[in-house]
Amino acid sequence: QVQVVQSGAEVKKPGASVKVSCKSSGYTLSSYYIHWVRQAPGQGLEWLGIINPSGGSTNYAQKFQGRVTMTSETSTSTVYMELRGLISEDTAVYYCARLRPTFDAFDFWGQGTMVTVSS
Amino acid sequence: QSALTQPASVSGSPGQSITISCTGASGNVGRYDLVSWYQQRPGQVPKLMIYKVTSRPSGVSNRFSGSKSGNTASLTISGLRAEDEGDYYCCSYLGGNTYLFGTGTTVTVL
Repeated sequence: QVQVVQSGAEVKKPGASVKVSCKSSGYTLSSYYIHWVRQAPGQGLEWLGIINPSGGSTNYAQKFQGRVTMTSETSTSTVYMELRGLISEDTAVYYCARLRPTFDAFDFWGQGTMVTVSS
Repeated sequence: QSALTQPASVSGSPGQSITISCTGASGNVGRYDLVSWYQQRPGQVPKLMIYKVTSRPSGVSNRFSGSKSGNTASLTISGLRAEDEGDYYCCSYLGGNTYLFGTGTTVTVL
């Protein structure tokens, strides 16, 4: 069965970087795009960007361009999201989610990774 | 780009029907039939409820239905149950492999 497992919680200081991993199993990673979405405490969902694991092409939300990098490692069925120049407002749960092959919805989500930015 | 607009909260009594709106623009909701809806119960991961405006994934109750008119998509929950409580988010394709979520709506069963 499809599973998407993310790395554990992180605590970072302002200005630092964080790299979150998202490992898929039960399907072929290269056949599906992966999205990253975040949710600040008590807030709504915010789309960060998308990666095509087959080839590594990416698209980022304008707000995060220049600060985020998404990469993939098909040999281990893992995608990564790195966010640089962290500020307190980046404190959130970060989710990876699989995009259906018809590009119309996210069907499987990781469990989420809490990233806390605090001095 | 600003989030799609949803009402902050909607409530109803058990058995009633409620509708959550998701208002975008001609460049997103109005242009593409790629609107999806997600349910998020407290402390849980979002769950896909509706895709492609009106389609339901297998396993999702037929009490959930979607529609769209112009730049506004809607999610209707019929026969409201206590288990339907939670936050609901719409999401629309924007073109160019980019997506945008709604502001979210908290559903309360009275």
